[in-house]
Amino acid sequence: GESVGLHLPTLSVQEGDNSIINCAYSNSASDYFIWYKQESGKGPQFIIDIRSNMDKRQGQRVTVLLNKTVKHLSLQIAATQPGDSAVYFCAEGGDRSGGKLQFGAGTQVVVTP
Amino acid sequence: KAGVTQTPRYLIKTRGQQVTLSCSPISGHRSVSWYQQTPGQGLQFLFEYFSETQRNKGNFPGRFSGRQFSNSRSEMNVSTLELGDSALYLCASRVRANLKEGNEKLFFGSGTQLSVL
Repeated sequence: GESVGLHLPTLSVQEGDNSIINCAYSNSASDYFIWYKQESGKGPQFIIDIRSNMDKRQGQRVTVLLNKTVKHLSLQIAATQPGDSAVYFCAEGGDRSGGKLQFGAGTQVVVTP
Repeated sequence: KAGVTQTPRYLIKTRGQQVTLSCSPISGHRSVSWYQQTPGQGLQFLFEYFSETQRNKGNFPGRFSGRQFSNSRSEMNVSTLELGDSALYLCASRVRANLKEGNEKLFFGSGTQLSVL
């Protein structure tokens, strides 16, 4: 029979273009946010993190933006490459929750040549 | 520096059996967390250990248990396996079990793929 699972949103991006992956978080008390990349058959790999006292942070080819007013987080990938094809997860946490991280459902990014 | 190491990589069990999964954290990391990942539920937190004590626990039945040793290595155990326990079990480590600056980054292993038949 047909299996039921999470329907991951898919972002299809052309190689060389910029990607923007969005994430809505739920807990207004969260003060720490983190992005992970997960390739098939591997565990999640840390990309970048940001604290709630910042609204932007840049890494190598990646930028994370945080909008606390609307509880929104985004990950921008510049000049997307085939190796960027993966599932991307955002996660939130706060000291009030004992430091536990709550993960979003993920976004599948497909890079086309 | 070696990453988080999980063993075994793959495991096949039958309903009713029990299973023990092992995790060695990154050197210097004293906190170990366990997550279950399934296509249906995504990444779900099981528990976190720090200094051999469980610090956080997710919403899983008592069949799921864990422990941490004095060298920070951790094991998780699932008893009376059910078909729905088939999943990728991920271990992650960080310096300490809080979100203070420098402690918070969580690093994952490659996981143990458990299939229950």
